[in-house]
Amino acid sequence: KQEVTQIPAALSVPEGENLVLNCSFTDSAIYNLQWFRQDPGKGLTSLLLIQSSQREQTSGRLNASLDKSSGRSTLYIAASQPGDSATYLCAVRLRTSGSRLTFGEGTQLTVNP
Amino acid sequence: DGGITQSPKYLFRKEGQNVTLSCEQNLNHDAMYWYRQDPGQGLRLIYYSQIVNDFQKGDIAEGYSVSREKKESFPLTVTSAQKNPTAFYLCASSLRTGASSGANVLTFGAGSRLTVL
Repeated sequence: KQEVTQIPAALSVPEGENLVLNCSFTDSAIYNLQWFRQDPGKGLTSLLLIQSSQREQTSGRLNASLDKSSGRSTLYIAASQPGDSATYLCAVRLRTSGSRLTFGEGTQLTVNP
Repeated sequence: DGGITQSPKYLFRKEGQNVTLSCEQNLNHDAMYWYRQDPGQGLRLIYYSQIVNDFQKGDIAEGYSVSREKKESFPLTVTSAQKNPTAFYLCASSLRTGASSGANVLTFGAGSRLTVL
C-alpha cells in the first residue's frame, strides 16, 4: 500500500527566506505527483504536477522536483512571503490505481512578516 | 467562471440522521471524487466516479453512499451507519483519467464541514 509522508509537519520562517518542503512515498511506481496548497477551512488549489518522466516543474517562485528512485519530492519556495502561509500537501498517483491519489498529511507553513 | 460548488458550507446533524452533501461542477469533467479530511491528516478517498452511472468505493466508503445520475453532479450521503462523521468533506473533479499531463489535475470545491451534535 502506498504511503505518503510529509516532513516537517509545521514550519515557521521569516519573510524572504527560501525554504524546502519534503514529501516521501513508499511505492516508486507512480504515474505522477501533485503539490497542493490549502488555506484554512478551504479547498485545495493545485500548484504543480510532475509526471513520472519529469525531474522538476516550475511555476513562478515555486519549484518542485521528483526523484522516483529514492521516493522523494521537494517543493522549493523562493523568497517566501506572508501570503504563502498555508498548508501544503503532496499527493501521488500510482500506475495501478487509476485516478486515485494518495495524500500526505501536509506541512503547515507560516511566513512571519 | 467554471468551478466546483459544494453546499452547504456548514452542516449540523443529530446522531441517527442521514445527510446529503451536494457537489456540482460546470467544468465538463468526466471524473468526480469525494474526500474526507480530519485535523492533522491527509485526505482520504471515500468514493469516486469516472463516468455517469458508475462509481467505485475508495478507502473509507463504509457508512457513505453516492450517485452519479448526471455528469455535473455527484452528491454524497452520510448515513447513520457512519460511526464518526464529523469532518471536512471535499469534492473534486478531473477532466479524465487518461495519460496526458493535464488530464488528471484535480480541481477542488471549497468543502463542507459536517458536525454531529
